Amino acid sequence: IAGITQAPTSQILAAGRRMTLRCTQDMRHNAMYWYRQDLGLGLRLIHYSNTAGTTGKGEVPDGYSVSRANTDDFPLTLASAVPSQTSVYFCASSDSGGGGDTQYFGPGTRLTVL
Amino acid sequence: GQNIDQPTEMTATEGAIVQINCTYQTSGFNGLFWYQQHAGEAPTFLSYNVLDGLEEKGRFSSFLSRSKGYSYLLLKELQMKDSASYLCAVRDGDYKLSFGAGTTVTVRA
Repeated sequence: IAGITQAPTSQILAAGRRMTLRCTQDMRHNAMYWYRQDLGLGLRLIHYSNTAGTTGKGEVPDGYSVSRANTDDFPLTLASAVPSQTSVYFCASSDSGGGGDTQYFGPGTRLTVL
Repeated sequence: GQNIDQPTEMTATEGAIVQINCTYQTSGFNGLFWYQQHAGEAPTFLSYNVLDGLEEKGRFSSFLSRSKGYSYLLLKELQMKDSASYLCAVRDGDYKLSFGAGTTVTVRA
């Protein structure tokens, strides 16, 4: 079944450590997104990519970086994790970055930074 | 950012109807989405409105009034499996989605 996979499912990380969250989609979608979800705040966009080779900043990009070397993969890196980055991270993809296309979400990564 | 408001919690009885309201203020508008999210799971797409009016999809309907910055999601014939969070999301002029905090619906027997 086509879809989006994320790894790891969950992770406990010491503050100051580097961490990369992986996201892969097999739907050949052009656009991909990273969100974080915190209680009472809803989903907030961290970074996005409208097509392979391009990336952009969302609402809360500080402390995070992304790359989009190919269509399928969109890793999110925390260079030096801090406790405020404890959250559930969702990757999503859509056919394009505009129009009425729907975003489809991966299962999420639960990250705890101590 | 965008300003999207929806109630935090709602409770209803199995078989009943519940209406979840969403109001928004946005710079540019390119559609409004509703997603369902069960606890511990990913959001899943429910509906999309870009023109004023009602979109019906089985037991779920979604309404949009662009002039009022208002939408609602109507859940009919509630079932226990409908207990979940319902997320209102607005696509702005740059085609980015902004989400409300979500409404947790609890269906009681």
